[in-house]
Amino acid sequence: ETMMTQSPATLSVSPGERATLSCRASQSVKRNLAWYQQKPGQAPRLLIYDASTRATGFPARFSGSGSGTDFTLTISGLQSEDFAIYYCQQYNSWPLTFGGGTKVEIK
Amino acid sequence: EVQLLESGGVLVQPGGSLRLSCAASGLTFSNNAMSWVRQAPGQGLEYVSVISGSGDNTYYADSVKGRFSISRDNSKNMLYLQMNSLRAEDTAVYYCAKRSRDNGGPFDCWGQGTLVTVSS
Repeated sequence: ETMMTQSPATLSVSPGERATLSCRASQSVKRNLAWYQQKPGQAPRLLIYDASTRATGFPARFSGSGSGTDFTLTISGLQSEDFAIYYCQQYNSWPLTFGGGTKVEIK
Repeated sequence: EVQLLESGGVLVQPGGSLRLSCAASGLTFSNNAMSWVRQAPGQGLEYVSVISGSGDNTYYADSVKGRFSISRDNSKNMLYLQMNSLRAEDTAVYYCAKRSRDNGGPFDCWGQGTLVTVSS
């Protein structure tokens, strides 16, 4: 099983600043990596797939990078609606696995 | 617009059974693998099961293997999860999610979830 480790668990950021979230896989997942955004009381929403492709509806301030075992989600110029929990997920091998999440909160 | 609507979540006793349903619309249902993903209260996301577009191939997390069964009816655009021998640790919101491709890809559309509570 490929373990996904996200850091930090909580990130306190002021509006307008940049947030950098990390996701590490226990073995290579190539670029088969997705990021999801989840707000309280809502279902997760696909944000990034194939490590760096932004999903429909998300602005350019969201960007993903990485391959193999190390991945980064960057949110440039945080807006109020961006404060949420972000999960990474690998879909390279069974079982599909998620990271534990990073909560981005207002500083 | 793709829409997924789950139903069937209730309070059930340990050892009991339950069937969850997911109604899909706005897509060619048989073209996509479908999945169940769950989230325990205050916890992260856990993949439960996936079924291919044709229904011929199924996959399960070790935590539910032998107890849960995923199925689909492509003529009705419906996805199901039969849950047997339920345990307290199965308590969670269960999401129906569509995979972007039949042979893989991320979950690109999610339902709103249905809450299953296993308790005496």
